[in-house]
Amino acid sequence: GQSLEQPSEVTAVEGAIVQINCTYQTSGFYGLSWYQQHDGGAPTFLSYNALDGLEETGRFSSFLSRSDSYGYLLLQELQMKDSASYFCAVRDSGGYQKVTFGTGTKLQVIP
Amino acid sequence: NAGVTQTPKFRVLKTGQSMTLLCAQDMNHEYMYWYRQDPGMGLRLIHYSVGEGTTAKGEVPDGYNVSRLKKQNFLLGLESAAPSQTSVYFCASIAGGDTGELFFGEGSRLTVL
Repeated sequence: GQSLEQPSEVTAVEGAIVQINCTYQTSGFYGLSWYQQHDGGAPTFLSYNALDGLEETGRFSSFLSRSDSYGYLLLQELQMKDSASYFCAVRDSGGYQKVTFGTGTKLQVIP
Repeated sequence: NAGVTQTPKFRVLKTGQSMTLLCAQDMNHEYMYWYRQDPGMGLRLIHYSVGEGTTAKGEVPDGYNVSRLKKQNFLLGLESAAPSQTSVYFCASIAGGDTGELFFGEGSRLTVL
């Protein structure tokens, strides 16, 4: 089976940098994705890593280490609108491409 | 381009009633998924599909059935609704190949009394 662990809550100051970690256990690994979800909304895609290393998309970056079964999402220049829940998700390498989500990290950005 | 569309968006059921949630995508995606999300929790996978006529069970499949008769549609059925199935249901789809982007519908909020 698959399991993913993330911190449940993080608080950070506007303008600062925050890192949200994700460790996973899976029988077959294809890639790690990150999603943002505001209260009452649907998850929206942020970033994806299939290979080791850093992917940068504007203020957001995501890192993956396949050997350590570990990844993180880095948010820079935090804004109040970044207050949301963030989920990591593992895509399985099997034929059915199962996608399993972590329990999410609630980020609160304070002035 | 509508993306992923879920209907209905809201529904109230009585215990024991049945209903079907419809998910439609217009992106020609092979893979489709149904998740449920309970307050303060992550998304739990109910069932998923790799193409027409093929489905698989996720983490929490009990009490639900699915069908994928057409590539663009993925139906989630509740044969006899229970209060424990009160939740927000999200459908999602993804293309094949090396992409990690799941496209989500807006969600369907179901209350079972």
